[in-house]
Amino acid sequence: DAGVIQSPRHEVTEMGQEVTLRCKPISGHDYLFWYRQTMMRGLELLIYFNNNVPIDDSGMPEDRFSAKMPNASFSTLKIQPSEPRDSAVYFCASNAMDRSGANVLTFGAGSRLTVL
Amino acid sequence: DQQVKQNSPSLSVQEGRISILNCDYTNSMFDYFLWYKKYPAEGPTFLISISSIKDKNEDGRFTVFLNKSAKHLSLHIVPSQPGDSAVYFCASSNTGNQFYFGTGTSLTVIP
Repeated sequence: DAGVIQSPRHEVTEMGQEVTLRCKPISGHDYLFWYRQTMMRGLELLIYFNNNVPIDDSGMPEDRFSAKMPNASFSTLKIQPSEPRDSAVYFCASNAMDRSGANVLTFGAGSRLTVL
Repeated sequence: DQQVKQNSPSLSVQEGRISILNCDYTNSMFDYFLWYKKYPAEGPTFLISISSIKDKNEDGRFTVFLNKSAKHLSLHIVPSQPGDSAVYFCASSNTGNQFYFGTGTSLTVIP
């Protein structure tokens, strides 16, 4: 399996522009998570889905952020309009079981967003 | 408010010595704990986990210790190797599908 695939790897945009980040989870995984990494807050959960349905979006910082999962193999995180404080690395993850049968998150390589 | 805290942003250790990374949590309902390792420009990768019913789990050079009364866990790496240089994140879960991460500790192993 190719793992969790994220695109783009890097995005530089200007304030006010729309940004769309994409994620393809591992096939067969029921849960998909969007995280944001910042120096101050570490890995911050934004939203997660179960079987394509959003379960908890309480971590989404503002209405400018939205996420969708139209099918089991694709999710998007959209920021509209973007602001400089949105600059961060955004990670997508899907769940897996480790050898003990417990849930383990598998992360993508991340999308580094810079908003000028 | 951070439910999982890693109070040491960085740690330097000589190759061959022990690295000890610490993590504290606030929610006594957490029942599962994990450590992730992250190299620059890559996503975090799973390293080792422990259930709240245990106080120790070992996997090769990596051992995680859990002290539930103190709400504290630690990761021991023995012996430390230069390839262990990375950012280590501690994570906790109370539902099996919602994970709370710390801010990370950057480990540098000096050859």
